[in-house]
Amino acid sequence: DQQVKQNSPSLSVQEGRISILNCDYTNSMFDYFLWYKKYPAEGPTFLISISSIKDKNEDGRFTVFLNKSAKHLSLHIVPSQPGDSAVYFCAAIGEDSSYKLIFGSGTRLLVRP
Amino acid sequence: DVKVTQSSRYLVKRTGEKVFLECVQDMDHENMFWYRQDPGLGLRLIYFSYDVKMKEKGDIPEGYSVSREKKERFSLILESASTNQTSMYLCASSFDLASKETQYFGPGTRLLVL
Repeated sequence: DQQVKQNSPSLSVQEGRISILNCDYTNSMFDYFLWYKKYPAEGPTFLISISSIKDKNEDGRFTVFLNKSAKHLSLHIVPSQPGDSAVYFCAAIGEDSSYKLIFGSGTRLLVRP
Repeated sequence: DVKVTQSSRYLVKRTGEKVFLECVQDMDHENMFWYRQDPGLGLRLIYFSYDVKMKEKGDIPEGYSVSREKKERFSLILESASTNQTSMYLCASSFDLASKETQYFGPGTRLLVL
């Protein structure tokens, strides 16, 4: 049973618009969340993270929102650019394990010029 | 920049063969990881090493073993490859576990077992 779920396998957005990628989790012991971006033929690269004591973290065009009561987080990209086209993975870490990342299945984002 | 390299980008092996996947990191990181990535399943942890000669099982260790004789190198071994081990294999490293610091990934090895 997957503890971290990304229910949308793909998303297509027009350049300049907002991209919203969603992630749900089931384990209330998760206390740290990360987003990774993966281009074809490359390994995932870290994008942004958020601790469970916060509900928002922003880094340039990227903002992650955390709703603990709903066990839901989202990644907002504003404005979206064609170079953002990639697979995005949500990951979580439990408070009992600072190394074990639990990954979602990924969402493929396509930003159309 | 952290660099994690993997010995092969693509491998084709036959069922029953012994397969070695090599990973090297150049940032003196203590921790190294092996994952496999499958469609619809994301990345799953196979094994983890927090020091030379130290290892810990991940979520799916069955059919795999690992070796860490030097700090910079972490090998994944498939003792007898099977078709269900066809996958993308990703190596990662990180410096400090306690700070939940991000892991740095290599480019991956796509393994096909026939």
